[in-house]
Amino acid sequence: DAGVIQSPRHEVTEMGQEVTLRCKPISGHDYLFWYRQTMMRGLELLIYFNNNVPIDDSGMPEDRFSAKMPNASFSTLKIQPSEPRDSAVYFCASSSYRDRDGGYTFGSGTRLTVV
Amino acid sequence: DAKTTQPNSMESNEEEPVHLPCNHSTISGTDYIHWYRQLPSQGPEYVIHGLTSNVNNRMASLAIAEDRKSSTLILHRATLRDAAVYYCILCRQSWAGSYQLTFGKGTKLSVIP
Repeated sequence: DAGVIQSPRHEVTEMGQEVTLRCKPISGHDYLFWYRQTMMRGLELLIYFNNNVPIDDSGMPEDRFSAKMPNASFSTLKIQPSEPRDSAVYFCASSSYRDRDGGYTFGSGTRLTVV
Repeated sequence: DAKTTQPNSMESNEEEPVHLPCNHSTISGTDYIHWYRQLPSQGPEYVIHGLTSNVNNRMASLAIAEDRKSSTLILHRATLRDAAVYYCILCRQSWAGSYQLTFGKGTKLSVIP
């Protein structure tokens, strides 16, 4: 398996623009998580899905952030409009309840810079 | 959520064992102890987890105190590739079986050649 695949690896955008981050989880995994990492706040859970349904989005900072999972093999995290304080590394992770001894598998992340 | 306390940083010589401590004095009976690590410029990576008994896998060993208020991640022979931030996390499973990992600041391990 290729693991959790995120795209793009790096994104530089201007303030006010829409940004879409993409994630392909491991096939067969039924949980998908979006995290954000900054120096100040560390790793923060933004939202997670179970079987494509959002379960807890209490970590989403504000209405400018939205996440979707239209099918089991794809999820997006969208920021509209983007602001400089959104600059961070965004990680997607997936896991399987049936194989929860394996823990989460994280992608390599998308480094977002908003100028 | 119960919290964990880890040293900010530790150093180890290459090819020597490393013991990374974690205190979790408010752990509840159903909390699992998870360890992840994050290598530079990469996403976190699962290392090991346990509930009450000590656990071993190909990456590391986890020693859990009898009262479960502390645990130690043991890397038997540190290599340069083990230099990373190590996170000790308590994981509480909900009735639905889903679980969420809340990351703290972790311990930054440096390995000296």
